[in-house]
Amino acid sequence: QKEVEQNSGPLSVPEGAIASLNCTYSDRGSQSFFWYRQYSGKSPELIMSIYSNGDKEDGRFTAQLNKASQYVSLLIRDSQPSDSATYLCAVNMRPGAQKLVFGQGTRLTINP
Amino acid sequence: DVKVTQSSRYLVKRTGEKVFLECVQDMDHENMFWYRQDPGLGLRLIYFSYDVKMKEKGDIPEGYSVSREKKERFSLILESASTNQTSMYLCASSFGTGLYYGYTFGSGTRLTVV
Repeated sequence: QKEVEQNSGPLSVPEGAIASLNCTYSDRGSQSFFWYRQYSGKSPELIMSIYSNGDKEDGRFTAQLNKASQYVSLLIRDSQPSDSATYLCAVNMRPGAQKLVFGQGTRLTINP
Repeated sequence: DVKVTQSSRYLVKRTGEKVFLECVQDMDHENMFWYRQDPGLGLRLIYFSYDVKMKEKGDIPEGYSVSREKKERFSLILESASTNQTSMYLCASSFGTGLYYGYTFGSGTRLTVV
């Protein structure tokens, strides 16, 4: 089992709809969780972080964390063509760990 | 804003050359990382450093070495470049354990070895 798993996609969503991206992780002791967006040919940029169970909202983005189910998700409301990118889930797995563990990424395409 | 600067955006080198990729960060971050990214393989950690002159091997260190003589600079060295090292190379840095702030990435260096 991979430490951090994401559906590779591609995920195709119509403009204006909600895009839902999912990530599961293997270590129950994982501490913090991050979502990165990466446009084609560019480097990843941090868009959301979450540490506690529940939802965290930032504009059109909502991160959801369920530690019991070892599951973190990213919802993008009112999807725009500019949201088309690969989304990477990253997990800080142990207290004091200095490395993040990344999923393989989900490619999202928003269709006008 | 934290800035992580990679010295070259695109680089073309010949097989057997010694290649230096430079990375500089301006926010006094303790940790610095070198990744390569290839289609279908995701991000793979080559080396990381949590302090000056300290280094740790990542998942794919073979064929690479690193140097961190100053806190703000982390260099990746390809001792003898080979075509299978053609890739996108990403440098990143983080504060402390990265627990709350994650990584900040540089803009990447696309290296082609011919």
